Order: sequence, then C-alpha cells, then structure tokens
Amino acid sequence: LAKTTQPISMDSYEGQEVNITCSHNNIATNDYITWYQQFPSQGPRFIIQGYKTKVTNEVASLFIPADRKSSTLSLPRVSLSDTAVYYCLVSGNTPLVFGKGTRLSVIA
Amino acid sequence: DVKVTQSSRYLVKRTGEKVFLECVQDMDHENMFWYRQDPGLGLRLIYFSYDVKMKEKGDIPEGYSVSREKKERFSLILESASTNQTSMYLCASRPRTSGTVNYGYTFGSGTRLTVV
Repeated sequence: LAKTTQPISMDSYEGQEVNITCSHNNIATNDYITWYQQFPSQGPRFIIQGYKTKVTNEVASLFIPADRKSSTLSLPRVSLSDTAVYYCLVSGNTPLVFGKGTRLSVIA
Repeated sequence: DVKVTQSSRYLVKRTGEKVFLECVQDMDHENMFWYRQDPGLGLRLIYFSYDVKMKEKGDIPEGYSVSREKKERFSLILESASTNQTSMYLCASRPRTSGTVNYGYTFGSGTRLTVV
C-alpha cells in the first residue's frame, strides 16, 4: 500500500501557482520525499526530492515541515504543458510504491 | 542524462506466447525495476533487482519472471502471456542508495503490450 495521501485531482488556470499537498503520517527516519510527474503514455519523470525544510530547483519547490508528516509541491506559474499526474512518494532503500497521484489539469 | 531504453514501444502478442520485454540503462545503475500501469490501479511493482544475478519479487510477480545477467540489462519475461497481462510496462533504474544520499528513479518510456 502507498504510504501517502494526496488529492485525486486539481484544476488551475495558466499562470497561477499550484500547491499540491501530500500527507505521509508514517514516514520513517530514513525516508526521503520524492515527487514525480507523468504525462500520458510516458514513464514518470523525477521532479524534486527532499528530506526536510525547503528544496528548490528549476522546476518546482518542495516544502517539508519539521515533523515531516506532510509535504507540499509548489509549481510556479503553471502552463498548459504542466497538465499531468503528480505522484508523491516516500522511501528509503525499499522500492517506490506509487499511489494514484494527483491529476492536475491546467486550463487556459 | 541517464537513459533507460525499453526495446519496444508497442507490442502485440498472442495468448500463450512467451514474451520478453527488454530494458537497458546506460549509467551503471545497480538497481532496476519493472512496474506495470493500468487505468485506475496506478503503477504496481512486479520485480526488482539490486544487482547482477539478483532478483526480488514485488507486489504482483505471478505470471512473470526476470533475468539480470548483465548490470545494464533487466528483462521481464511473461512465461505464457494472458489477456490480463495487457498493460503498460515501465522499467526504471537508479544507483544504489548510499548512506544519507537517496537517488531518484529514471524511467523508460514504457512498452504498451496487448495480448490477444
């Protein structure tokens, strides 16, 4: 069973910031939090990973509170091409277990 | 960039056939994984391998086997294909996790297998 809970779907207009929150109440000490993006008929693509506090790269930011029981993926100024399914995963050395993800639809 | 290449993008096979799905990665990764993805069910782990000659069952290994004779290649084998194995198959790889460093997975583009 996936160790995370995230919304099934979200809608956003182009140019808005999108925040997708994921809860992982049973995260273990050695678990990292990783987010993937998947377009139709493609494999998931790694977006960002963090352990605690805040991580930022050219694509997104990841906010992790001190208790690490949740995390928020932030996508700045989304465009139509950001329409995809976003997966939140926690894992240490064990294989990734995917949940259903969040289907983000960006509307013009 | 790490590349994970799956030999076929689309494949159609007959029921009862033995099917080989090939996956090759070019970055010397120790860990390799096979998932299948079905609508409404998400990605499910079939088998994985932490190194050459090693294999571990995932959540749904029934009807499948794997082979890892070389580090760069991880093959998924459907011993006798059945219609319920019609699915998108995704291969992934990553380096061995070391200490506090945790690496992301790199996925291939997938093989859409139809069993008729």
